[in-house]
Amino acid sequence: DTAVSQTPKYLVTQMGNDKSIKCEQNLGHDTMYWYKQDSKKFLKIMFSYNNKELIINETVPNRFSPKSPDKAHLNLHINSLELGDSAVYFCASSQGGDADTQYFGPGTRLTVL
Amino acid sequence: GQNIDQPTEMTATEGAIVQINCTYQTSGFNGLFWYQQHAGEAPTFLSYNVLDGLEEKGRFSSFLSRSKGYSYLLLKELQMKDSASYLCDVADRGSTLGRLYFGRGTQLTVWP
Repeated sequence: DTAVSQTPKYLVTQMGNDKSIKCEQNLGHDTMYWYKQDSKKFLKIMFSYNNKELIINETVPNRFSPKSPDKAHLNLHINSLELGDSAVYFCASSQGGDADTQYFGPGTRLTVL
Repeated sequence: GQNIDQPTEMTATEGAIVQINCTYQTSGFNGLFWYQQHAGEAPTFLSYNVLDGLEEKGRFSSFLSRSKGYSYLLLKELQMKDSASYLCDVADRGSTLGRLYFGRGTQLTVWP
């Protein structure tokens, strides 16, 4: 029944590793997002993906790459993890675009050691 | 986010009324959202305003003034469970991502 799900819920890894976080939505929404929430609680948008159009926040390092095998999935792949990548990552979806309510996944807490 | 401003913290007592303000700057305003986020949980939708005025939904109301770039979330009859962070989010056609950053939110603590 979960509308937006993410796995894993917790991820602990070493610097320099590559990791992926998976996201799935069963709401039939057209747009999916990835957000990063740091220790100061800023919720920063990283990517928006709609009908195979990817919009990237230019401040996001290119070590981060979203991958969408289909409309219901938007996975986040991170290369060469750094200490500063430690944060909670939220996936979200909305029916259409910008003016639609977003539904958030439960979050993935990433800790880089 | 640099284009959205909210107070960092607020406190209130059970049964009271609290107003959380949000000011913003956009080039293509397309609606303003309020979300609630409890500690360790995901944000959940509370309200959406695109026209000026007050939207009431139970104990929560949200107000918008587009000309002033200003919104507030009004919480009445506060309960302990209302202790959470409240995030203001603005949809902006002028932004390539279609929205401004969420702010850091306003951490509300409700005391008995």
